This record gives sequence, C-alpha cells and structure tokens, in this order.
Amino acid sequence: EAGVAQSPRYKIIEKRQSVAFWCNPISGHATLYWYQQILGQGPKLLIQFQNNGVVDDSQLPKDRFSAERLKGVDSTLKIQPAKLEDSAVYLCASSLGFTFMNTEAFFGQGTRLTVV
Amino acid sequence: AQSVTQLDSQVPVFEEAPVELRCNYSSSVSVYLFWYVQYPNQGLQLLLKYLSGSTLVESINGFEAEFNKSQTSFHLRKPSVHISDTAEYFCAVRRMNRDDKIIFGKGTRLHILP
Repeated sequence: EAGVAQSPRYKIIEKRQSVAFWCNPISGHATLYWYQQILGQGPKLLIQFQNNGVVDDSQLPKDRFSAERLKGVDSTLKIQPAKLEDSAVYLCASSLGFTFMNTEAFFGQGTRLTVV
Repeated sequence: AQSVTQLDSQVPVFEEAPVELRCNYSSSVSVYLFWYVQYPNQGLQLLLKYLSGSTLVESINGFEAEFNKSQTSFHLRKPSVHISDTAEYFCAVRRMNRDDKIIFGKGTRLHILP
C-alpha cells in the first residue's frame, strides 16, 4: 500500500514570495491534515479536511495561508506572501475518517521550507 | 481541550543502557495515546499506540509504553538502546471515537552515546 506522498521535499524561497505544497493521501482515506513543524517543536495542526470539506482551520493564518482539497483526494497548501517565520517542515497526514477503525494518522515525509 | 507535556527536550543515554521518555497528558474525555518517532529528515512514523485494554503496549523494535490513568502518563521505555534509535520521539493524543486532529507534545530528542 502506498503511503502519503508529498512534494517537493525541499523548497527555498525569498520572503514575500509565494509557494505551494502538494499532498496525495493514502487511497481511501477520507481525512487529510496539514501540520506545521517548526524546528524544535512538535507538529501543529494547520487544517483538517473531511473529504473536500474543512473540519478545523482554527490555527491556519488565513491572511497568508490557504489550502484546498477540491476533489476530496489530493490537496494543496499555499503560502502567499511568505515570511521568515514560515520556515518549517510542512507535514501532510491522512486517516480513514469517521469509522471505529480510525485510530491513528499516517504521515508523509514532509516538505522542508526555508524562507530567506 | 487536550494537551501533551514532554518535560525532557533531550535525553542522552549510552548505547545498551535503558531509557525512559516521559509523557503526561491532559484531557477531560477519553483519549487514544500514541508515540510517534521521527528519524532525521523523515516524516513521523507510528511507534506504538494505546487504544484500550492492557495498559502495557509494545512495539516491534523493543519499545514499550504504559498507560497510567491515575497519573495521566504514557511513558516510553526501552531496556537497551541502540545507535539506530537516535531520533526524535513525540507523544500524542486524540479524542476516542472521534475524527479529530492528533495533538502532539514538543518532542524528546534521544541521543545515543557510543
């Protein structure tokens, strides 16, 4: 079974530029998460999708961050314009969705963003 | 709301020595508990999880964790560590039977000394 796929693995941009990250979850997983992991900290949830609907985006800085999952499968996270403090690893994860079998989330390898 | 506290940001330990990584959580409802491991330049991998039943859970590579409800803890232990265990370890919680986010602690970096 293929895991969660993310691209690119690394990205370096200048502040005020824009950037986009892509994620393809495990086949059949209804729930998709984007987490931000700043160096030395644990992952923090940015947004959670259930199919193509947003479940939780309370910690997403909506003035500069946006995310979509139009067809309920893959997802894109965008930052525009980027700030220095956005330097982090962006992790995508997926889980089965609301079933009694749903316990953990499965993570991709992440995209390391450096803003200079 | 749920929260996770990992008091130790770094734990140095000699190879073949035992180790314990501490985790305490706070929640007003029942939760699932997890330990995830992150090797250098990798994503998060599930190490082990507590759902219900036996309070002692084990992983395939020798780690174990014990759920202690009265102390709201889920400490991770290994009797003898190897160089390959060098990684960052994250304790996490999720509300039971809900399609919720997983909330992570800040992580503990396990540094194995030769």
